[in-house]
Amino acid sequence: ETGVTQTPRHLVMGMTNKKSLKCEQHLGHNAMYWYKQSAKKPLELMFVYNFKEQTENNSVPSRFSPECPNSSHLFLHLHTLQPEDSALYLCASSPSEGVGYEQFFGPGTRLTVL
Amino acid sequence: LAKTTQPISMDSYEGQEVNITCSHNNIATNDYITWYQQFPSQGPRFIIQGYKTKVTNEVASLFIPADRKSSTLSLPRVSLSDTAVYYCLVGDENTGKLIFGQGTTLQVKP
Repeated sequence: ETGVTQTPRHLVMGMTNKKSLKCEQHLGHNAMYWYKQSAKKPLELMFVYNFKEQTENNSVPSRFSPECPNSSHLFLHLHTLQPEDSALYLCASSPSEGVGYEQFFGPGTRLTVL
Repeated sequence: LAKTTQPISMDSYEGQEVNITCSHNNIATNDYITWYQQFPSQGPRFIIQGYKTKVTNEVASLFIPADRKSSTLSLPRVSLSDTAVYYCLVGDENTGKLIFGQGTTLQVKP
């Protein structure tokens, strides 16, 4: 138990569906991250929020839309995804943004796009 | 962007010392080097972090040469439960972006 929870743990959706991934941290951290992990690929940082403000968007397609209503919650809204978007989506948090701060990861949401 | 390079996989036997090296050119001058461990169906977990020379904690050591263009994670006396994927994480000098290595799959055999 890392203090970071993600729901759902598994999600299957069609290309025309709209769904959302939720991440919640109970650690009092100010930075939150979304990562994508595909089979046999390194972790890809998607978005970073620090004190609720988006500080990084790594050229992520607009069909992925993040939302950070407060420092404890992070959402990833999904719409009109493609099969190649199937992956493990990991959320993490840290006291603040930067390599020097230990990131605590959630268990991930396994997404399958049909 | 900083390019990180790690061996894709390594095999070892129980009780041996394992050293995994990550090459990271263009690492941010003032940033730390961090290593994470990931088991199947779990998110990565912090192992150790350092800036230069040598750092040791209860599970690993981290060796960083003076030029900081590489780092070596050392796991003493591995056990079967150390079978996992190990990632290095650095910051890019120019963009400040966080860059994970591609991961090294360590298989520990009995």
